[in-house]
Formats: sequence, structure tokens, C-alpha cells
Amino acid sequence: DIVMTQSPDSLAVSLGERATIKCRSSQNLLYDFNNKNYLAWFQQKPRQPPRLLIYWASTRESGVPDRFSGSGSGTEFALTISSLQAEDVAIYYCQQYYSTPWTFGQGTKVEI
Amino acid sequence: QVQLEESGPELVKPSETLSLTCTVSGGSISPYYWSWIRQPPGKGLEWIGCIHYSGNTNYNPSLKSRVIISVDTSKNQFSLKLTSVSAADTAVYYCARQEFFDIWGQGTMVTVSP
Repeated sequence: DIVMTQSPDSLAVSLGERATIKCRSSQNLLYDFNNKNYLAWFQQKPRQPPRLLIYWASTRESGVPDRFSGSGSGTEFALTISSLQAEDVAIYYCQQYYSTPWTFGQGTKVEI
Repeated sequence: QVQLEESGPELVKPSETLSLTCTVSGGSISPYYWSWIRQPPGKGLEWIGCIHYSGNTNYNPSLKSRVIISVDTSKNQFSLKLTSVSAADTAVYYCARQEFFDIWGQGTMVTVSP
């Protein structure tokens, strides 16, 4: 199985400041044939299902604010919230879909 | 737009079988893959397995011996059966469309307890 490791486990950021979450995979997630990284990011608020934010490591899902951005390639990835808003308080997960079983990171809790 | 809704018993006894159904509304179950994912209380997400509308399945090896996922295209539904459950299977169970997991149900809490 591909192991996904996020850092930090929790993060406190002031309103309007930048938040960066890192995700490392135990195997390369970049497919040579299409040059795409098989990595997604999700946001989960209490008592809600996860919400897709980013796929292909850096493609924002429709309706996701542009303060959310994804970066990285291979085994090192990051999710950045450029200017933290109160509604961004949540747990964030990275997930690989390079090979089954699909696996998630342990989650990073973002607080104000 | 496409919506998913999980249904099934909220309480299952140890050693029995957990059975859940996911109903897809606002769109067709084809041509996608559909997944089951679970989340124990206060913990992270675990992919259980998936099914294509054609019936092709793929299971997490950690649960493969106990999982059956099936599809009923006439009802626009897919289902999960997890056998020989224990307290470790207590979790919120989600169904999701396996297109980057872009659509999720609200989840259903299943507790395994005598």
C-alpha cells in the first residue's frame, strides 16, 4: 500500500495569514505516460463528508475558492490556503489514486 | 445534480453482517465507479472498495475477505456487505463517486455492539 504522511498534524493560523499543509507519499505518484500526479486534497468540517478541493495535485475543483492551491510532484505535495478565512477551519486530507488500495493521509487540523 | 444517500441499520451485533445501500439520484450510475469509504469516530478515512456499473469490483486487501459490493443499475443503487463485524468496524460509512471522489453521501453511523 502507498502510505500518505501529512505534516503537521495540526496548525493554528491567524485570519488572513497563509496556511501550508504538506503531504508525502511512500511511492511516486507521477505517471510518466500523461505527466499527471495522482493526488487529491479534501476538506472535512465537523459532521460533514469530505469535500474535494484539488485533484491532479493542482487542479481546483469547480466552486472551490482560489485561495486554495495545490503544488508538488512525485512524492512531495502541499496544499496552501493563501489567506485563511474563518470558514476554512477544518481537517484536510491528501489522498492518492495512483494505485489501489486508494489511501489517505492521517489528516491535518487547521484552526484559527 | 447528482446526490448520494446511504441507508441501512445503525446498529449491528458482533459477528453479524453489516449491510448498507447507496442510492444515486439526479444522474445515472453509469459509466462511473462508485466507492465505499469509512471513518471510525475521531479517526481518518479508509477506502473499503469500489464497483463499476458493469459489476467489476476492487476491494481493499485489508478487508477483502469480508467485503462484498454489488450494484443494481435498475434501481440506481450499489450496496456494501461486511461480514463478521466487530467493534473495530464501528464507523461512519460513506458512499462516493470515484471520479476523484467528487461526490459523497452524508454518511451513516454504524455501531457494532451487542
